[in-house]
Amino acid sequence: GQQLNQSPQSMFIQEGEDVSMNCTSSSIFNTWLWYKQDPGEGPVLLIALYKAGELTSNGRLTAQFGITRKDSFLNISASIPSDVGIYFCAGQLREKAAGNKLTFGGGTRVLVKP
Amino acid sequence: GAVVSQHPSRVICKSGTSVKIECRSLDFQATTMFWYRQFPKQSLMLMATSNEGSKATYEQGVEKDKFLINHASLTLSTLTVTSAHPEDSSFYICSATSRGSQPQHFGDGTRLSIL
Repeated sequence: GQQLNQSPQSMFIQEGEDVSMNCTSSSIFNTWLWYKQDPGEGPVLLIALYKAGELTSNGRLTAQFGITRKDSFLNISASIPSDVGIYFCAGQLREKAAGNKLTFGGGTRVLVKP
Repeated sequence: GAVVSQHPSRVICKSGTSVKIECRSLDFQATTMFWYRQFPKQSLMLMATSNEGSKATYEQGVEKDKFLINHASLTLSTLTVTSAHPEDSSFYICSATSRGSQPQHFGDGTRLSIL
């Protein structure tokens, strides 16, 4: 099925650095969600975006819903070791016909610089 | 709030066994639950959507007779992998939402290993 293009696929972070990742789609969504998944666990919701142009923060995390409704980015400021994990974007149409299903990006694996 | 509990967290069993996985919403009523499958280093793949009191809607390519879903109450959905084989080994994750406008919240997943 359709998948969002998420980049980068992986990145190395050094403590204190700011990091950024984004998702793009060929079709529009009316909700964008960002999740983090740690090894062996389910994804945990970080930020939900409901309106085109919306910029929302959650602690050191900031995410924006692109004005075209086809993209979103997530920034992590002043990264710390526990930021390591896999980050997924997900788009949702919130229409009855679409069944409120989520379309997931391929994930961004955040690792610590050796 | 919005806690989803999944049980068991890990199952190891012989080929041919049927395995049942439970997904419970602990502090809200889940009108819709979703079942996903995730292979190592890959994204989540939706298997089926389950609405309370009605038949599940399966994604293309997912065998409904192989993956039986029951959503008998507003807090519980079950996925039964019937006659499991090694190729069914995977990480299965459920999510739940109280209504379509609310984000999905995920369980902690079930690691299924078929010998």
